[in-house]
Amino acid sequence: GAVVSQHPSWVICKSGTSVKIECRSLDFQATTMFWYRQFPKQSLMLMATSNEGSKATYEQGVEKDKFLINHASLTLSTLTVTSAHPEDSSFYICSARKGQMNTEAFFGQGTRLTVV
Amino acid sequence: TQLLEQSPQFLSIQEGENLTVYCNSSSVFSSLQWYRQEPGEGPVLLVTVVTGGEVKKLKRLTFQFGDARKDSSLHITAAQPGDTGLYLCAPQNSNSGYALNFGKGTSLLVTP
Repeated sequence: GAVVSQHPSWVICKSGTSVKIECRSLDFQATTMFWYRQFPKQSLMLMATSNEGSKATYEQGVEKDKFLINHASLTLSTLTVTSAHPEDSSFYICSARKGQMNTEAFFGQGTRLTVV
Repeated sequence: TQLLEQSPQFLSIQEGENLTVYCNSSSVFSSLQWYRQEPGEGPVLLVTVVTGGEVKKLKRLTFQFGDARKDSSLHITAAQPGDTGLYLCAPQNSNSGYALNFGKGTSLLVTP
């Protein structure tokens, strides 16, 4: 099956710094990727849709200047958490699909971000 | 806005017991997917149901899509500790695009 790789798997950063998370589709091209956030014991919350070569589409309530998304190639999307604060600490997961509705969504391993 | 409810939110059972997880909505879905997520990992697809009334089986897991395509259930027979995880339903409509929006999930713990 298709593989989506996410890096790093965990990161600890100081408050006020920025952190970049990478999401790669390893064996297929993904014109669209998705970024989710997950709090402990909770479900995944869609943050934004990353579109190759164009601006990302953010869900309501997600600050686009806080969570910068870049999708510069068909196999790489990045999420940068800018000026991180402790409340940004969370599990961030990316996803990509080979096709549209009814196709399988492949997820990265997730990135555990801790802001101290 | 589509209202999606998943229940129960938490479930702790002993090995060998049966359980059912429900995913309900006020809207009609074109299709629905079930995923399972283990701690520290991304979700993995279990099944996609498309036709109203459809029943799919995956070993001890039985998935059903409601006749009206507004609800779905996941039944696990003789649960095992390896079934422990977060079960997520993700309905889809033709106008919802690629993105998956998940239900709140059911956190299942199966103890030996």
